[in-house]
Amino acid sequence: QSVLTQPPSVSAAPGQKVTISCSGSSSNIGNNYVSWYQQLPGTAPKLLIYDNDKRPSVIVDRFSASKSGTSATLGITGLQTGDEADYYCGTWDSSLSAVVFGGGTRLTVL
Amino acid sequence: EVQLVESGGGLVRSGGSLRLSCRGSGFNFNDAWMSWVRQAPGKGLEWVGRIKSKTAGGTTDYTAPVKGRFIISRDDSKDTLYLQMNSLETEDTGVYFCTTITWRAEVDNWGQGALVTVSS
Repeated sequence: QSVLTQPPSVSAAPGQKVTISCSGSSSNIGNNYVSWYQQLPGTAPKLLIYDNDKRPSVIVDRFSASKSGTSATLGITGLQTGDEADYYCGTWDSSLSAVVFGGGTRLTVL
Repeated sequence: EVQLVESGGGLVRSGGSLRLSCRGSGFNFNDAWMSWVRQAPGKGLEWVGRIKSKTAGGTTDYTAPVKGRFIISRDDSKDTLYLQMNSLETEDTGVYFCTTITWRAEVDNWGQGALVTVSS
């Protein structure tokens, strides 16, 4: 059971938009920075979003994120088959003194 | 380009020990906060722990399941991070990723991972 809650799977057609939610509490998302990671099949994860809503320079602007209260959301527009991957949210948990991740969301581009 | 290369993975019996190493390059290792993240087969990501840079105190933090069993250390003269794993359990089986981590707890660079298999 993960500290952060994500839907196990989402799907959408090519070209469409999808959102992935990440729900936590005041000890984690509510008072700390949220990051998002993409893990393509058989590869190591990659940082997609940091500081709640910022993209590393190598990440295209089809990926965006936001945070409100104790929840965060990742959005992907113009879906491509190459976006099929597992997506994880992560943050610091001040009560646990540890980094916590969501359980992951598998994106399928139909 | 940041590179993190893990080594030392393998098969070990339950109750045994194993040490992973991670050599970093392409960045100032001395100033980097480093961490380990693991992934059990077919499962999600689990943070193992981190070590701050020496200038930030060099202290460590661990996730509860590994506290008292795992030790993270660093040798800045060798640009190398270590994970000493003792009293291994079958639940410790998985791929262990060496990473850099920011003070905001963002895991910004990942190694390719080292597979650790603990048999009963």
